[in-house]
Amino acid sequence: GQQVMQIPQYQHVQEGEDFTTYCNSSTTLSNIQWYKQRPGGHPVFLIQLVKSGEVKKQKRLTFQFGEAKKNSSLHITATQTTDVGTYFCAGNGSSNTGKLIFGQGTTLQVKP
Amino acid sequence: DSGVTQTPKHLITATGQRVTLRCSPRSGDLSVYWYQQSLDQGLQFLIQYYNGEERAKGNILERFSAQQFPDLHSELNLSSLELGDSALYFCASSLGGSEQFFGPGTRLTVL
Repeated sequence: GQQVMQIPQYQHVQEGEDFTTYCNSSTTLSNIQWYKQRPGGHPVFLIQLVKSGEVKKQKRLTFQFGEAKKNSSLHITATQTTDVGTYFCAGNGSSNTGKLIFGQGTTLQVKP
Repeated sequence: DSGVTQTPKHLITATGQRVTLRCSPRSGDLSVYWYQQSLDQGLQFLIQYYNGEERAKGNILERFSAQQFPDLHSELNLSSLELGDSALYFCASSLGGSEQFFGPGTRLTVL
């Protein structure tokens, strides 16, 4: 079945450093979504990428969708302590359903 | 606040028992999704309902079942519980197949 792999599993950075998490799907995706889960909280939607090669920015966050629509990345510039949490990518293999296959997540710790 | 509500917040029960988790989607959302989150498994998709009908199925065990009612709220039934079923269970809703709004989750502990 469809699998979504995400690396790294954990990342510790000093405040102000950059951070990147990578996501790879075993199959071509219809779209990919990114979610953030704060410690003790629930996943919160960040963004959806649909087009091949798409790049979207949200302030310090940059999201990319690969040309083959099988991989994606999230890059955070100059991390802040408020960026702490687990970042999940979630692949949608079919445009007919909303079924998402989540990656294992990357847990980001930021040292002030 | 995502607008998705889940009850109960916490549930402690014994092996072999049966429990029901409840979810009310955001107003207007027709799709409801159930996920299981455990420490070593991440977020696992269980099942999706759309306007009362099952739309997609994930790795949902036969001991688990779900349904969506005419008022669009959904219930997830877990039976013959095992220790390994201890996890956070999230419900999410969406209007179509786009962004999903997650509820606060139900933490299930099986002793």
